[in-house]
Amino acid sequence: KAGVTQTPRYLIKTRGQQVTLSCSPISGHRSVSWYQQTPGQGLQFLFEYFSETQRNKGNFPGRFSGRQFSNSRSEMNVSTLELGDSALYLCASRLAGGSSYEQYFGPGTRLTVT
Amino acid sequence: AQSVTQLDSHVSVSEGTPVLLRCNYSSSYSPSLFWYVQHPNKGLQLLLKYTSAATLVKGINGFEAEFKKSETSFHLTKPSAHMSDAAEYFCVVSGTGNMLTFGGGTRLMVKP
Repeated sequence: KAGVTQTPRYLIKTRGQQVTLSCSPISGHRSVSWYQQTPGQGLQFLFEYFSETQRNKGNFPGRFSGRQFSNSRSEMNVSTLELGDSALYLCASRLAGGSSYEQYFGPGTRLTVT
Repeated sequence: AQSVTQLDSHVSVSEGTPVLLRCNYSSSYSPSLFWYVQHPNKGLQLLLKYTSAATLVKGINGFEAEFKKSETSFHLTKPSAHMSDAAEYFCVVSGTGNMLTFGGGTRLMVKP
């Protein structure tokens, strides 16, 4: 089975712009979660989608949003980019929504905001 | 609420010697616990998971972890380190709301 794929892998944007990141989960996986990884804050949970519905949301401003499509692919959008949004954004998928199900991570999208 | 504390931000061992990466957790519920590894410029790879079955969990690449409820610990061990084990390791708890909470990470360095 193919793993979790994320596009693009690298992105450079300017402050004030917006960006959309894409994640394709492992085939058959219905849950997709997004995480932000920075040297200062570590790995932080952004949100989780299951069957096109947002189930959980982390402590991030409303500029961060996401959605999930009927084929379980997910997109994450960040509007009005700030320098502090520079990070590695990781997407993870799992088979179902229970906490015992392990998450499988994609390689990430490295976003640089200048 | 749940939290994870990785007690060492950096661990350095010599190749062929044992590895111990320490993790303490806090959770209001019976948690699921995981260890993930991240090699430079890569995503996270699952090493092993604990989900209330056996307290000693075996994972990939010779790693194992022991769940100790009384100590709220889930330490990761490996009998003999290999150069390819050099990476960052994350202890993770999954509980309330199925959210993953990550520890701060432990960077493992392996000396030849």
